[in-house]
Formats: sequence, structure tokens, C-alpha cells
Amino acid sequence: DSGVTQTPKHLITATGQRVTLRCSPRSGDLSVYWYQQSLDQGLQFLIQYYNGEERAKGNILERFSAQQFPDLHSELNLSSLELGDSALYFCASSVDLGGETQYFGPGTRLLVL
Amino acid sequence: GESVGLHLPTLSVQEGDNSIINCAYSNSASDYFIWYKQESGKGPQFIIDIRSNMDKRQGQRVTVLLNKTVKHLSLQIAATQPGDSAVYFCAETRKAAGNKLTFGGGTRVLVKP
Repeated sequence: DSGVTQTPKHLITATGQRVTLRCSPRSGDLSVYWYQQSLDQGLQFLIQYYNGEERAKGNILERFSAQQFPDLHSELNLSSLELGDSALYFCASSVDLGGETQYFGPGTRLLVL
Repeated sequence: GESVGLHLPTLSVQEGDNSIINCAYSNSASDYFIWYKQESGKGPQFIIDIRSNMDKRQGQRVTVLLNKTVKHLSLQIAATQPGDSAVYFCAETRKAAGNKLTFGGGTRVLVKP
């Protein structure tokens, strides 16, 4: 158990819908990262938050957004869902801004029908 | 480098033998490298890391070697056990880039009893 929690574990929804994925980092970690894992693209970095502020952006679609709250939990919002958004979404956390180990949560499996 | 994801090379190894998993990375400016293990249905699990000022690091039954000249990373698992069966990913990052991880495509390790 990494100490990072994610909910829900599974999510099934329809195209065009909007969903919210939730992540609680390890106790004491200030940075939260979101990654997408799909069969054709592997593990891809989406976005990073540090202490409530966005710090780095990767290949995140405009339909996707995230935020980190004062209690340091984070939410990833996916809207106007398409079939191709079906994937595993992982959250990771680390103590600080850079150069340390990231610990991953168990993931949310999203299926868009 | 960028994760390719589609086709996972597979390493079949006899229980008790040593395993060597290789990874080529693309960014010569990367200064921190991590090996993750991912079992089916779970998030990536930290195994071992190494910084760019080192060329070897040992853990329990695992050793990571870094060759910066040819941008190559390897993970050696001693006395491979059935529980080592998983997909292994290398990841690279630069502290100056905000610690976002760039993952390799992964290698599937199958341990034969």
C-alpha cells in the first residue's frame, strides 16, 4: 500500500458525459501528479499540482482539468468524454517539487461507452 | 523517451535465475531515474531509483545500473521469484522540469516455476 488513495476504483459512463476522479496523497506529500495509462499510449503524464498550484502540464486535453484543494487532495475532471478517453487514471504524490520518488495510487479504471 | 505502450517485450525467466531488464532513455538532461513494477490491476510500485551522479545502486535483490554515455538503464533482479511476475517500467525525470515522469514502454516479466 503506497498511502495514495483514489476513488472510485471503476467508472462506467457514456460519451459526452463528465466525471470527477479523486485522489488523496500520502500524508505529508505536497505534490500530486495525474497520469493516464492507455493500451496505445502507455503511461503519460497529464498534470502536476504543488501545494494547491499548478506546476507542470503534460499531454492533457483541454476537456480535462484538475485542481488541488487546501487539504491537498486533488480532483481530475474529464468532460465531453469520448470513447478514446477509456483508460486507467493514476494519481501519484511526492514530498516536494522535484527530484524525489513518486508513489502511485491504485488507479481509477474509466470505461466510456 | 516517450512511452510506446502498444507491444510489450516479454522476458521469460526460470524461477531462481537472475533477470535483467533494459531501458533506453532519450533525454540526456534527465537527472533522476526510477524503476516501477506494475502488477495486473494495480498502480506502479516503486522498486529502486538512481540519480545521475551514480552509476550503480543496490537494493534488496535488485540492482540498477546507469550508463549515461549511451543513455541506458538496467534493472537486475536476483533469484527471480514468482511474485516478481509483472510489467516493469523505467521512468526518467529532471528536477528542473518539475519532476514529471516520462515512462518507457515497459517489459513484461514472466517467471516460470
